[in-house]
Amino acid sequence: QKEVEQNSGPLSVPEGAIASLNCTYSDRVSQSFFWYRQYSGKSPELIMSIYSNGDKEDGRFTAQLNKASQYVSLLIRDSQPSDSATYLCAVNWDTGGFKTIFGAGTRLFVKA
Amino acid sequence: GAGVSQSPRYKVTKRGQDVALRCDPISGHVSLYWYRQALGQGPEFLTYFNYEAQQDKSGLPNDRFSAERPEGSISTLTIQRTEQRDSAMYRCASSPNGGLANYGYTFGSGTRLTVV
Repeated sequence: QKEVEQNSGPLSVPEGAIASLNCTYSDRVSQSFFWYRQYSGKSPELIMSIYSNGDKEDGRFTAQLNKASQYVSLLIRDSQPSDSATYLCAVNWDTGGFKTIFGAGTRLFVKA
Repeated sequence: GAGVSQSPRYKVTKRGQDVALRCDPISGHVSLYWYRQALGQGPEFLTYFNYEAQQDKSGLPNDRFSAERPEGSISTLTIQRTEQRDSAMYRCASSPNGGLANYGYTFGSGTRLTVV
């Protein structure tokens, strides 16, 4: 079992719709959770972080965390064609230091 | 500097040669990370440093890979006796925190290594 799992997609949504991206992770001493966006040919960029159970909103983005279910999600409201990218889920574990493990990413296409 | 700088951007080397990849993190960032990313995959952890101390090298694939950060700033990832399977994008990232909590990373543009 991979430590951080995501559906590879592609996920296709129409412009203006809500895109829902999901991620599950292995049971470890998980400290913090992140979503990165990676445009084709570019480097990953951090868009959201979440540390506690519940929802965290930032503009059109909402991250949701459920530690009991080992589940983290990202909702993108009013999706735009510019949101088309690969979204990487990342989990940070306390291994005596901290290291972040990334999922394989979900490709999102927003159709105009 | 303003961002994480990696050099070279592209490196083509012959099988069996040694290569050195350089990373200059954001000024003042305590933590520095090396990842490798294959096409269509997420970044794969290699190693990381807090200041000059290598905290975790569990992701280095074998003893041909090594990394250092002697003065707690610039880091070098060295691959000895390169093999074709080493071909990938090598990404460096830095973070300000020093490991007590994680605020996420800033990635450099990466070095595309091709072993022929």
